[in-house]
Amino acid sequence: GESVGLHLPTLSVQEGDNSIINCAYSNSASDYFIWYKQESGKGPQFIIDIRSNMDKRQGQRVTVLLNKTVKHLSLQIAATQPGDSAVYFCAEKSGGNLIFGKGTKLSVKP
Amino acid sequence: DTAVSQTPKYLVTQMGNDKSIKCEQNLGHDTMYWYKQDSKKFLKIMFSYNNKELIINETVPNRFSPKSPDKAHLNLHINSLELGDSAVYFCASSQGWGGAGNQPQHFGDGTRLSIL
Repeated sequence: GESVGLHLPTLSVQEGDNSIINCAYSNSASDYFIWYKQESGKGPQFIIDIRSNMDKRQGQRVTVLLNKTVKHLSLQIAATQPGDSAVYFCAEKSGGNLIFGKGTKLSVKP
Repeated sequence: DTAVSQTPKYLVTQMGNDKSIKCEQNLGHDTMYWYKQDSKKFLKIMFSYNNKELIINETVPNRFSPKSPDKAHLNLHINSLELGDSAVYFCASSQGWGGAGNQPQHFGDGTRLSIL
């Protein structure tokens, strides 16, 4: 069946360090992937996306890597800041809908 | 200006009641969605809707029904509320439908529904 999951439910990093959040997906036909950030009391906020014809995409302090061979997606955050503390979700587009992973809580220690 | 706005932010009500949650988007998107987020933060699609088609997740009870007065609004009506309906409900919108362009969905800040 289709599923999107995360290897680590929680991640704690020191301020200034880089963070890596991982995600596994099972539907090899998925052609579009998104990372969302959800802060407490807020809705998911778009961070970055990537299409299946790419393996890397960079934004401001964030990089998404896509490995279609092993069906793995990662989000890298450079120089992690306290404001990055949130729950991060990966999502894959399958059959027109987004299927979300379970989320990883990122905690940034000052 | 808020791109996707939901009202109310909090909704506390008794079991058995009927309630509605409103959603409006000012992004000019043609597709809107409703999601349910449970206590473990798991987000699950309930409905996908544009002006031509409604896709219902088969796991959603028929007590839940989306209603769209126009392209910018998609309200969620819930009849005979049950304890298990307690969750945060998110509205979202995007440009494009299905395979017609890969565009991110933009979310509202959610409605926290608590059933007493």
